[in-house]
Order: sequence, then C-alpha cells, then structure tokens
Amino acid sequence: DADVTQTPRNRITKTGKRIMLECSQTKGHDRMYWYRQDPGLGLQLIYYSFDVKDINKGEISDGYSVSRQAQAKFSLSLESAIPNQTALYFCATSDTLEQFFGPGTRLTVL
Amino acid sequence: EDKVVQSPLSLVVHEGDTVTLNCSYEVTNFRSLLWYKQEKKAPTFLFMLTSSGIEKKSGRLSSILDKKELFSILNITATQTGDSAVYLCAVVPYSGGGADGLTFGKGTHLIIQP
Repeated sequence: DADVTQTPRNRITKTGKRIMLECSQTKGHDRMYWYRQDPGLGLQLIYYSFDVKDINKGEISDGYSVSRQAQAKFSLSLESAIPNQTALYFCATSDTLEQFFGPGTRLTVL
Repeated sequence: EDKVVQSPLSLVVHEGDTVTLNCSYEVTNFRSLLWYKQEKKAPTFLFMLTSSGIEKKSGRLSSILDKKELFSILNITATQTGDSAVYLCAVVPYSGGGADGLTFGKGTHLIIQP
C-alpha cells in the first residue's frame, strides 16, 4: 500500500465550483505539505502544517485553504475554482528533511 | 525571497553520454539541498546534501554541493533511456522550528535518445 495517497487522482470541474483534494499518509509524519506544479514552473508550496494545530501559508496560498483533520490527513480546498488553478497538485509528508510525495491530483478547471 | 535556478532547462543527449545538471540557489539560512527525479508521477528522492565538498553517489548518479559558491551539480554517467525525466533541485531553509517547506527550481528536462 502507498504511504501517501491522494484523492481524487483526476478531476475536471467548472469555474466557481468548490473543490476539495484529500491527502492521507500512513508514515506517521507530523509534517504535511501541499504543492502545485505547472509546466515549466517546478513545484510551488501552497500550504504546510507542522501538526494538527499548526497551519502555515506557503508562497502561493491565495485562492486556497487547508484543513488538518488529523495527523494523517491534510486536505486542500479551492473555494471557488478558477481556470488558472488548473495544475498538478502534490501532497507530501516529512519527518526530517526528505519529503515523500503522493501520486498527485490532476485538476482541470474549465 | 528564496530562489533556486536550474540549468539547462532541457537537455537531449545520446545513450552512453555523461550529463551534468546545475542548480544554483539563494536562500536565507540554508539547511540542505535535495535532488529529485520526476517521471510521469510524483518526484522520487535522489540525494540530500548538507555539507560542502562531500560527494553523494548512487550507482551512475552523483552529486556535490558548494556552499561557498551556492550551487550543486548532479552528474549522470553512461546515461540510459530510463534516465529520461525531469530532475528537480530544492533547497530547505531553517525556519525557526516550524515546518520546512522546500523551494524548488523549475527542473531540467533530460531526454536520453537511444
């Protein structure tokens, strides 16, 4: 079984819709992260969390919110999706410096 | 603002060639530098570098960090078609005890032709 899982793996939605991407991990790590990846731009940090009581904005948090429901779960929400949020979204976990990535969610906003 | 610049952005070579990928960075309170390989899925970890001048090696891949000149290189010798991927460099800053978000470069898209 994968250590870091993301659901859904693919999603197509329309402008203005609310979308939630979910991430679960079985690695027992305290730290969890959400990144987005656009072609030619590498990975950009959206939000990160040190533990269930700690949520921090990353470099591109506008238009996104997160919820850390438990140590193992970290969800990313787009309250009102817009086309430039079309991207590949990765969740990651870490306990030291190496980050372990989920398989990614490909989101398309029409 | 932390910054990571990778070069070249894309590279096409023939099987058997040796390639060198570059990563330069500007970061406040540098802690470490990570290299990842990304095929058509999530990035997979290659190396973590924290000390200058110490080469990390794994098979045909090796990497070294120069903290004085603020760069790292990733070498791949005797390249194979399976080495075709995007190679990502990321830096980790100290952040006063909180979660350490990585700053990634844009990646080098490496294509190995048979």
